[in-house]
Amino acid sequence: GAVVSQHPSRVICKSGTSVKIECRSLDFQATTMFWYRQFPKQSLMLMATSNEGSKATYEQGVEKDKFLINHASLTLSTLTVTSAHPEDSSFYICSASRRLAGGYYEQYFGPGTRLTVT
Amino acid sequence: RKEVEQDPGPFNVPEGATVAFNCTYSNSASQSFFWYRQDCRKEPKLLMSVYSSGNEDGRFTAQLNRASQYISLLIRDSKLSDSATYLCVVTGSSNTGKLIFGQGTTLQVKP
Repeated sequence: GAVVSQHPSRVICKSGTSVKIECRSLDFQATTMFWYRQFPKQSLMLMATSNEGSKATYEQGVEKDKFLINHASLTLSTLTVTSAHPEDSSFYICSASRRLAGGYYEQYFGPGTRLTVT
Repeated sequence: RKEVEQDPGPFNVPEGATVAFNCTYSNSASQSFFWYRQDCRKEPKLLMSVYSSGNEDGRFTAQLNRASQYISLLIRDSKLSDSATYLCVVTGSSNTGKLIFGQGTTLQVKP
């Protein structure tokens, strides 16, 4: 399968600071990347769809000014959690979408970033 | 009604058993269907894509019934390493690749 990297894998920060998470597709170009959040024992929750060269599309209830997304190239998307608070502590996972023949897509996930806000 | 529904389990089975997971989806316009596997505190990994009436990969067989909006995953000869959460995933009606996840079914294979 395709390879998606995510950095950092784990971060602990103080309340009020900002944290940037990078997501890279290593062996294919991804015009679309997705950002998810997962709380313990819950399913993945889509936060936003990141499109290369355009503004991200946020899901209902996700604050776009708090979760800044930049998709600067076909292989890199970043998520910045601004003014983090303890309730933002979660497992953040990105995925990159690869288009296949016939117009189908497959999504490959990064290894995730575990954010702890103290 | 949830867009993708799965029995959360847990399914506790002995090694060597055959186990089947079911999933239903509500959007008849969904185009693509997948099974992902997620281990504890790890990211989901694509297990199988299901594009037609079904497909098989080794011990794993996925079936799709578009008329009933139903997807299944069959695991034969269960291994201890199969213990994980299995996520039923479908795409939305738009052609953006956006995925809709079921809550997952937990499988625990015991020796």
